[in-house]
Amino acid sequence: KAGVTQTPRYLIKTRGQQVTLSCSPISGHRSVSWYQQTPGQGLQFLFEYFSETQRNKGNFPGRFSGRQFSNSRSEMNVSTLELGDSALYLCASSLAGFKNEQYFGPGTRLTVT
Amino acid sequence: LAKTTQPISMDSYEGQEVNITCSHNNIATNDYITWYQQFPSQGPRFIIQGYKTKVTNEVASLFIPADRKSSTLSLPRVSLSDTAVYYCLVGDNTGFQKLVFGTGTRLLVSP
Repeated sequence: KAGVTQTPRYLIKTRGQQVTLSCSPISGHRSVSWYQQTPGQGLQFLFEYFSETQRNKGNFPGRFSGRQFSNSRSEMNVSTLELGDSALYLCASSLAGFKNEQYFGPGTRLTVT
Repeated sequence: LAKTTQPISMDSYEGQEVNITCSHNNIATNDYITWYQQFPSQGPRFIIQGYKTKVTNEVASLFIPADRKSSTLSLPRVSLSDTAVYYCLVGDNTGFQKLVFGTGTRLLVSP
């Protein structure tokens, strides 16, 4: 069974730009969650999508948004990038939801200059 | 806000048992405690999950006291390949985070 895939793996953007990250979950998983990982703040929960609906949301500004498609693939968008948005963005999929066993992808390393 | 605290680092030798404790005072009533392992340049990997008392699987045990304000991950007979960062994860009943990761414990296993 293929694991969670994320594209692109690395990305460099300039302040003020926007970026879209993509996540393909494990086949059959309807829950997709997104996390931000930085050396200073550690791992932080962004949001969870389940069957195309945002079911849970962490404490991030509205510049961070996402969506999920009918095939469970998910995208995360960050608008008006700031230097502090530089981070590893992780996607995870789960059968039952983000509070159950999750399978993480390798992440997308975003650098904002 | 919920706060989840773990030791920053731990050292061990091959073959020893390692116990990593996570403090989570504001865990949500109905939520489970989950532990993940993360290697450099990889996403976290699920280790174990429990609600209370003791849970054991083929790689680890999880001990949770009755008040559920802390949990201890126990790794029996560690090997060099267990060198990684370990995170506890709990639900949050105090505000916006929904899920709170621990600060992470960097475990170094030496020969």
